[in-house]
Amino acid sequence: QVQLQESGPGLVKPSQTLSLTCTVSGGSISSGDYYWSWIRQPPGKGLEWIGYIYYSGSTYYNPSLKSRVTISVDTSKNQFSLKLSSVTAADTAVYYCARVVVGVQYCDYWGQGTLVTVSS
Amino acid sequence: NFMLTQPHSVSESPGKTVTISCTRSSGSIASNYVQWYQQRPGSSPTTVIYEDNQRPSGVPDRFSGSIDSSSNSASLTISGLKTEDEADYYCQSYDSSNPWVFGGGTKLTVL
Repeated sequence: QVQLQESGPGLVKPSQTLSLTCTVSGGSISSGDYYWSWIRQPPGKGLEWIGYIYYSGSTYYNPSLKSRVTISVDTSKNQFSLKLSSVTAADTAVYYCARVVVGVQYCDYWGQGTLVTVSS
Repeated sequence: NFMLTQPHSVSESPGKTVTISCTRSSGSIASNYVQWYQQRPGSSPTTVIYEDNQRPSGVPDRFSGSIDSSSNSASLTISGLKTEDEADYYCQSYDSSNPWVFGGGTKLTVL
């Protein structure tokens, strides 16, 4: 059974960089059949796609966040990571990592999510 | 860029059938697959429909999906409603310039 687990600070100061890691277990992040994605959800609001990465390092980002987002992958640790720079209160959200099936473009596994609050 | 528009909320009684719509603002709804996600309170989303009308294993056949090119929309239909179906539902699709787009979500209340 594939499992994804987000980890990282739950509190980030405004203007700083938010950093999260997703650890994948039960499957290899190097499989060519999947993308590895970050999705967020502000409290009480809907889902917003941030971006995803292929095991080779190819990335695809939401155009509205592209200037501030970096997603990277570490195949040796079976992990992928998110960095979001210059954060503001509007970046406060539950951040989910998820596995995306290539071609079909849907998430078949999600992490439990982690709340990141941007506040001084 | 395109948007996906869903009704903010729908409600229906147990045992009945409800349909949630998802309208694409530009480009053809048929040009890229539509997925549907269920999110119960306090939980991560799960997929109930992918590729317009396919159910992942474990999703009951009470859930079905379809697309309608004439209205440029996709629909999620849930029959034989149960109280456990009460959740938020999100549609999602994509295109070449916007790999992923989510609808705003629909809150389903099973009265």
